[in-house]
Amino acid sequence: NAGVTQTPKFRILKIGQSMTLQCAQDMNHNYMYWYRQDPGMGLKLIYYSVGAGITDKGEVPNGYNVSRSTTEDFPLRLELAAPSQTSVYFCASSYGGPDQPQHFGDGTRLSIL
Amino acid sequence: DAKTTQPPSMDCAEGRAANLPCNHSTISGNEYVYWYRQIHSQGPQYIIHGLKNNETNEMASLIITEDRKSSTLILPHATLRDTAVYYCIVRVKETSGSRLTFGEGTQLTVNP
Repeated sequence: NAGVTQTPKFRILKIGQSMTLQCAQDMNHNYMYWYRQDPGMGLKLIYYSVGAGITDKGEVPNGYNVSRSTTEDFPLRLELAAPSQTSVYFCASSYGGPDQPQHFGDGTRLSIL
Repeated sequence: DAKTTQPPSMDCAEGRAANLPCNHSTISGNEYVYWYRQIHSQGPQYIIHGLKNNETNEMASLIITEDRKSSTLILPHATLRDTAVYYCIVRVKETSGSRLTFGEGTQLTVNP
């Protein structure tokens, strides 16, 4: 059972470039989340989804977009990369709502130069 | 979400029990206590959660005081691989946007 799989693991982008961070889960979880974690800091929620076709903004959505066309996949898109988006990005999923534990991927380490 | 207070760091000898405390004096009646950990360079890992009864699973035990103002995570036989930052989180039952708010956590170091 793979759980939550994130690709790529590492990426370096130039300012202004765009890219998509992939996230897939095989646990049939309805809820999926994208967080970013800056060095020495806690997690900040970027976007989340409560099911296929439904997405909503978290705390720090600016500069990002998401889509949820299937239950399994929840890609995160950076349109115009900026140095402030240098961070580690974690995708998570949970079976149900707020009282259910979240399961995390191993993260994507992104540097914008 | 209720605020939590944890010691910044703790040490534990390998093979011994690690007892990690957490204070959450402003917890509300419908808030759960969650524990996660984050091993360096990895994603956070769910450990255990509870409402008011003590809980045990294959990883750990969670002891919640009767007034629910504090709790203790117990790793019964700590190994070197348990070295990580442990986060105690108290969560409201939101209807949406159920983000996890990680505080400072406790850096647990398991020594040989």
